Parts: sequence; structure tokens; C-alpha cells
Amino acid sequence: DTGVSQDPRHKITKRGQNVTFRCDPISEHNRLYWYRQTLGQGPEFLTYFQNEAQLEKSRLLSDRFSAERPKGSFSTLEIQRTEQGDSAMYLCASSSTEEGDSPLHFGNGTRLTVT
Amino acid sequence: AQSVSQHNHHVILSEAASLELGCNYSYGGTVNLFWYVQYPGQHLQLLLKYFSGDPLVKGIKGFEAEFIKSKFSFNLRKPSVQWSDTAEYFCAVSPGFGGFQKLVFGTGTRLLVSP
Repeated sequence: DTGVSQDPRHKITKRGQNVTFRCDPISEHNRLYWYRQTLGQGPEFLTYFQNEAQLEKSRLLSDRFSAERPKGSFSTLEIQRTEQGDSAMYLCASSSTEEGDSPLHFGNGTRLTVT
Repeated sequence: AQSVSQHNHHVILSEAASLELGCNYSYGGTVNLFWYVQYPGQHLQLLLKYFSGDPLVKGIKGFEAEFIKSKFSFNLRKPSVQWSDTAEYFCAVSPGFGGFQKLVFGTGTRLLVSP
């Protein structure tokens, strides 16, 4: 089990710039989730894929956010025109429908700082 | 909307002391319940989960939790903590109709165990 991999680990960007994060789930997992965690809070759900289909998006996910999972394997999360309020840890998780209600396996996250 | 309350934000214990971390949730239907742990510098890991059946569930590293439906609670316990249990602990819930796990997390409890 190589775990969920996220890249980069840290990203510092200036307000107004676009950023893109990548998540590689555990290889046999068909479900992929994005969460966001700000300081002093627990992770908050952003969006969810089953295979390549994006099945649900949180109202937290403004129009500046877009996520893709084009081949049902890795996923990208793009934030356009970043704002200081976007500063957070962005977590990716994966799970498998083959394991029934299998728990989420989280990656180490990408820490975004918007200056 | 679902919510999760963790009563203690910071807990400091000496080694061998007993631990109980409180977790209450608000949701009218059937729920799945989880405790995740995040050790310093590491990703979120599942400690234990409750889907159905015996309300007393045992997890890894000697942790257990009891689901009390009438109190909407899922408190985490360990009879004797170790220095290595120093971490942040998150309680989480998801709707209990299986499959998609849109977790709602509490704000977390930071546990510091002094040797």
C-alpha cells in the first residue's frame, strides 16, 4: 500500500495567481475526495469523484475552484484567482466500493499560502 | 445539516493516565461514526469506525469508542495513554446509507501526553 500521494506538499502564491494541486489515490480505489482544512478546524468536504464522474460539490467550492479526474485515476484541483482566504491545507482521500463501506485513506495534504 | 462537537480542544495527560475524548453529533438519521488521528507531521489515519452492531468498538493501539444513540455521542477512550499517543484526534460522522462517505469532522482535540 503506497498510500495517497499529493503534490506539491507546500505552495506559496501571490493573490490573484492560479494554482493546481495533484492527488494520486491508492491504485485500486475508485473513489476520490477533496477536503480543505483551515487552522483550528477539522477537514471540510469539497468534492467527490467516483471513477471519473464528479458526483457532488460542496457549496464551499466557489466558481474559482475546479476539480477533475479525467481517467478515473489521479485528480487535480485548480484554484483560479487565489484569495488570501484560500490559504489552507488541501487534503485528498480515496476509498474503494469493492470494500463495502471502506474508510477514507488520506494523503499528507498540500499546504497553500496565499500572500 | 450534520454537525460534530468535540468538547475539549486541548488535553494534557501524564503517561498511564486514562483518556476520554468527547464527541457529540447532530443528525436525525442513521450515521456512520469515525475517529481519526493525526500524529505530528503525518496524515490522518483511521483509529476506529462504527457502522452497525455492537456499540462498543475497538480500534488500533488500544483505543475504543462507545456509540450511545440516545445521547448522540461517540466518545473515545483509552485506559492508559502513552507518550506516543500525542496527536490530534478528530471525530467524524457520515450518513448511514452506505457508499459515499461525505464525512463531517469535528474541530479536533489536541492531546499532549507528558512522559
